[in-house]
Amino acid sequence: NAGVMQNPRHLVRRRGQEARLRCSPMKGHSHVYWYRQLPEEGLKFMVYLQKENIIDESGMPKERFSAEFPKEGPSILRIQQVVRGDSAAYFCASSPGTGWEQYFGPGTRLTVT
Amino acid sequence: SQQGEEDPQALSIQEGENATMNCSYKTSINNLQWYRQNSGRGLVHLILIRSNEREKHSGRLRVTLDTSKKSSSLLITASRAADTASYFCATDYGSARQLTFGSGTQLTVLP
Repeated sequence: NAGVMQNPRHLVRRRGQEARLRCSPMKGHSHVYWYRQLPEEGLKFMVYLQKENIIDESGMPKERFSAEFPKEGPSILRIQQVVRGDSAAYFCASSPGTGWEQYFGPGTRLTVT
Repeated sequence: SQQGEEDPQALSIQEGENATMNCSYKTSINNLQWYRQNSGRGLVHLILIRSNEREKHSGRLRVTLDTSKKSSSLLITASRAADTASYFCATDYGSARQLTFGSGTQLTVLP
């Protein structure tokens, strides 16, 4: 049973470009979460989605960031007009409809130059 | 401010010794989970303890939870060099499913 998949694993963008991060949850999981980890820090919650719905986006910056989890395909975290401060590791996690454990993907490391 | 704080920030021990890490949090929780993160990698789920549980075991791991003190501890017995990693506690509370992470303990096990 494949785990949570994220791609790309590493992404380099110049300031002002767009970054698209993808996450495929574990098979049978319908809940997806995105977290951001700055160097030497713990993870910070960004957004929680179910298929076609954003459930909780209280951790998302108000501008430039958006997320979706379409009926078909992976969840996408989109960052428009990236700035150097967006450089971080972005982790996706998934969970089934029941239970509280979240299972994490390997992360996407975004570097903004 | 963060919900959880780990203590110590860094811990270095010899292989075969036990390692204990502590986590404190601020509000009432539903569950507390411990994760391991190897350098530059994703998080691996270790164990979940519910708010009505006091102790839980999984292999060489033992987790305790004291809700009156709002704290938890993770004990790794007979440590191995492969246990070298950062360890994070994460809590959820209320109806929210989001996890709030502590700042982590960096464990180094010397061979």
